Amino acid sequence: GAVVSQHPSRVICKSGTSVKIECRSLDFQATTMFWYRQFPKKSLMLMATSNEGSKATYEQGVEKDKFLINHASLTLSTLTVTSAHPEDSSFYICSARTGFTEAFFGQGTRLTVV
Amino acid sequence: GDSVTQMEGPVTLSEEAFLTINCTYTATGYPSLFWYVQYPGEGLQLLLKATKADDKGSNKGFEATYRKETTSFHLEKGSVQVSDSAVYFCALSPRGNNNDMRFGAGTRLTVKP
Repeated sequence: GAVVSQHPSRVICKSGTSVKIECRSLDFQATTMFWYRQFPKKSLMLMATSNEGSKATYEQGVEKDKFLINHASLTLSTLTVTSAHPEDSSFYICSARTGFTEAFFGQGTRLTVV
Repeated sequence: GDSVTQMEGPVTLSEEAFLTINCTYTATGYPSLFWYVQYPGEGLQLLLKATKADDKGSNKGFEATYRKETTSFHLEKGSVQVSDSAVYFCALSPRGNNNDMRFGAGTRLTVKP
């Protein structure tokens, strides 16, 4: 099946710094990528949807200036958590799809802000 | 809007027991339905899927049938193993648009030897 690679898998950063998470589709062109956040023992919550070459669409309650999403190419989307705080610590997962096919998920990134 | 309701966990079973995790959905169109599995410390992996009514998805001994009349997609396995311990997510993808998938809350399964 299609492979989506997410990097890094784990990151620890200091409060107030920014951290970038990459999501790559390795063997297909992803017209749409999704970013999710997963709280402990909770389901995935969609943060934003990004289409290649256009601005991301954020879900209600998600701060677009804090969670910067860039989808510059058909194989790469990045999520930057700016001025991170401990409450931003979470498991972030991306998924990618092409057209109306199913979405394929990355391995996830566990962010810890200290 | 489209949504998925999933049986709450956690579920604890003994090895070789029968597993059922209930999932029902609400959708305005004809969604595709999925079960994803998340093993500890890992991302989501597609377990099985069904794209139309009466389709049965199956993989690794797990099965789920797309029931339009009951709007359900229950996950079953006849004999669980310790290695099946994970969190299982039911999800749907609306047809005909480019929207994201909607997930259930997840059901944590623990299988004891």
